[in-house]
Amino acid sequence: DTGVSQDPRHKITKRGQNVTFRCDPISEHNRLYWYRQTLGQGPEFLTYFQNEAQLEKSRLLSDRFSAERPKGSFSTLEIQRTEQGDSAMYLCASSPTKTSSSGANVLTFGAGSRLTVL
Amino acid sequence: AQSVTQLGSHVSVSEGALVLLRCNYSSSVPPYLFWYVQYPNQGLQLLLKYTTGATLVKGINGFEAEFKKSETSFHLTKPSAHMSDAAEYFCAVMRSNYQLIWGAGTKLIIKP
Repeated sequence: DTGVSQDPRHKITKRGQNVTFRCDPISEHNRLYWYRQTLGQGPEFLTYFQNEAQLEKSRLLSDRFSAERPKGSFSTLEIQRTEQGDSAMYLCASSPTKTSSSGANVLTFGAGSRLTVL
Repeated sequence: AQSVTQLGSHVSVSEGALVLLRCNYSSSVPPYLFWYVQYPNQGLQLLLKYTTGATLVKGINGFEAEFKKSETSFHLTKPSAHMSDAAEYFCAVMRSNYQLIWGAGTKLIIKP
């Protein structure tokens, strides 16, 4: 178990360019989440998958943001026509489908992908 | 609506001193509460969680937190701070089975 992997760790791009981030979850985890974190703030929920199904995407920040998980394993988050306000850390997390006996769903996070839009 | 408030964006303590990081939540239902730690350029690591049962929860690295329903609080403590504890700490409440609501974080600074 190598944990949740994210790639790239850092991305610098010019305004208007498209960027894509990849997340490889823990292999036994069926649930996958994307969060965004800006400086001085806690993470902000973006979207969530169970296997390949995207069950919640209403929190994606605009129609420039999209996420996929085509085979229920890795996921990608794409931002089209980037803006300077998109500069942030994009965090991926995964969790098992079955919650613990207490009912809590415990997320394991990756190290994040930091985006800087010039 | 659920929310989480962390009092103090920065907390500074001397090495060996007590660490107290405050978290208050609002929730209309019995909450699941979490503390995560984030070291520079790293992801979030679970420190401890409260779900049901004992209100004093022990976590990793000597941290513990007490759930106080009457005060809607879940403060994080450690008896003796170590330089390696310097990091940012986030409190979170589970809103649904897929969404956590987070506080803004508290940066812990350890003075030698």
